[in-house]
Amino acid sequence: TQLLEQSPQFLSIQEGENLTVYCNSSSVFSSLQWYRQEPGEGPVLLVTVVTGGEVKKLKRLTFQFGDARKDSSLHITAAQPGDTGLYLCAGARNQGGKLIFGQGTELSVKP
Amino acid sequence: KAGVTQTPRYLIKTRGQQVTLSCSPISGHRSVSWYQQTPGQGLQFLFEYFSETQRNKGNFPGRFSGRQFSNSRSEMNVSTLELGDSALYLCASSGGLAGSYNEQFFGPGTRLTVL
Repeated sequence: TQLLEQSPQFLSIQEGENLTVYCNSSSVFSSLQWYRQEPGEGPVLLVTVVTGGEVKKLKRLTFQFGDARKDSSLHITAAQPGDTGLYLCAGARNQGGKLIFGQGTELSVKP
Repeated sequence: KAGVTQTPRYLIKTRGQQVTLSCSPISGHRSVSWYQQTPGQGLQFLFEYFSETQRNKGNFPGRFSGRQFSNSRSEMNVSTLELGDSALYLCASSGGLAGSYNEQFFGPGTRLTVL
C-alpha cells in the first residue's frame, strides 16, 4: 500500500518553465520532508514542513503543507538544468526515524 | 561536520550468500535508519536503531537484520541473498530526540548486486 502518492512520476521541461510536484495521502503526518536525489547519491534534505498551511521558500522552490497535513506540493519557478534530479516527498507520523516515501518525481530540465 | 558514510559503496554477491553493510552516522546523531531503494518499489524503510536498540521496523523478512554499536555506528546484514535483494541500501542518521521532526541525513548508499 503506497501511503504517499506523488505526481507526476516523470517531468521533462525546458529551462525557464515553472512546474509543480504533488504529494498526496489519506493519512495525517506530523511532518513532511522533501528531498532531492542525484544518480549514485543519497537523498539530500531540502525542507521540512510541520504546520498545516505552512509555506516555505528556498530560492526558486516553494513548498506548501496542506491545511490537514495530508498533502504537500513543491513548486519550482524558472527551472534550470541544475534542478534536474529525483524529487522525493517523505512523511513522518511519530517520533523515530521511520519515513514513508512517495515514489518520486524524475525531473529533467533541458537547456 | 562529516556526513554519513557507508561502506562498501559497491558489492556483488551471489544467491545464497550473506552480506554486511556498514554505516557511520553524523557525529552526535544517535538514530540510524536503513532504507532499500529499487526502481519498482522506491524507498522502503527497513529499520531504525536508537541508542543500540531497534526502535522501528519495516515489513521486511527476517533475513534482514541490523544492529547498532555504542558509538552509534550501525551494520545491516542480509542472509541467504535473493536476486530481488539487488538494490541501493541507504543509511540515514538523525538526532532522534523527542521534539525533532525526523529529519534524515542520508549517506551515499551501498549498491548491492546479487547474481
